Amino acid sequence: AQSVTQLDSQVPVFEEAPVELRCNYSSSVSVYLFWYVQYPNQGLQLLLKYLSGSTLVKGINGFEAEFNKSQTSFHLRKPSVHISDTAEYFCAVEGGGSNYKLTFGKGTLLTVNP
Amino acid sequence: DAGVTQSPTHLIKTRGQHVTLRCSPISGHKSVSWYQQVLGQGPQFIFQYYEKEERGRGNFPDRFSARQFPNYSSELNVNALLLGDSALYLCASSGRTSGYNEQFFGPGTRLTVL
Repeated sequence: AQSVTQLDSQVPVFEEAPVELRCNYSSSVSVYLFWYVQYPNQGLQLLLKYLSGSTLVKGINGFEAEFNKSQTSFHLRKPSVHISDTAEYFCAVEGGGSNYKLTFGKGTLLTVNP
Repeated sequence: DAGVTQSPTHLIKTRGQHVTLRCSPISGHKSVSWYQQVLGQGPQFIFQYYEKEERGRGNFPDRFSARQFPNYSSELNVNALLLGDSALYLCASSGRTSGYNEQFFGPGTRLTVL
């Protein structure tokens, strides 16, 4: 079975500050890793994904994430946030024989203040 | 190209009633997945269908059922509604049958059970 832990339920930051949203996963087999963003009253949009290869993954809107197998982590970072980045962010894992199923964390609410 | 569409956008039901939610996948996609997102939580996997066959089922009671039609659209049915079924129901479609399947999410149907 797989599980995802997002270590912070809420992260407030000021505009133009850097941010890191933390995600740890648990799986006994190789997995694919994802970050999704959800704006109010909308569905999920894929920010970035790790399938294999380079552990540093770049996504849309200036976000990037680093896969660390030894620490089973996949933290999301952005060097300078904007007001428009305010949203809920979800880390998810897929794989381990259940390659049709995404397992999500509980989400991190990123609030960017002026 | 149109994305994943879901209907209705919102609906309100009372306990004990039955509800049907509908999803149309991206053109060319043959797989549809359903997720339940309770307020303040990450989405939870309910079902996946591929070519009208159920490929996987999450930990949900038998009150939840689904089907996929020849045009690959899908319905999620929930019987004997409980207050706890109030949630955003997300549909996702994907195009491949094995390996990595990027799932594209619709905007969701917001179900309120009174």
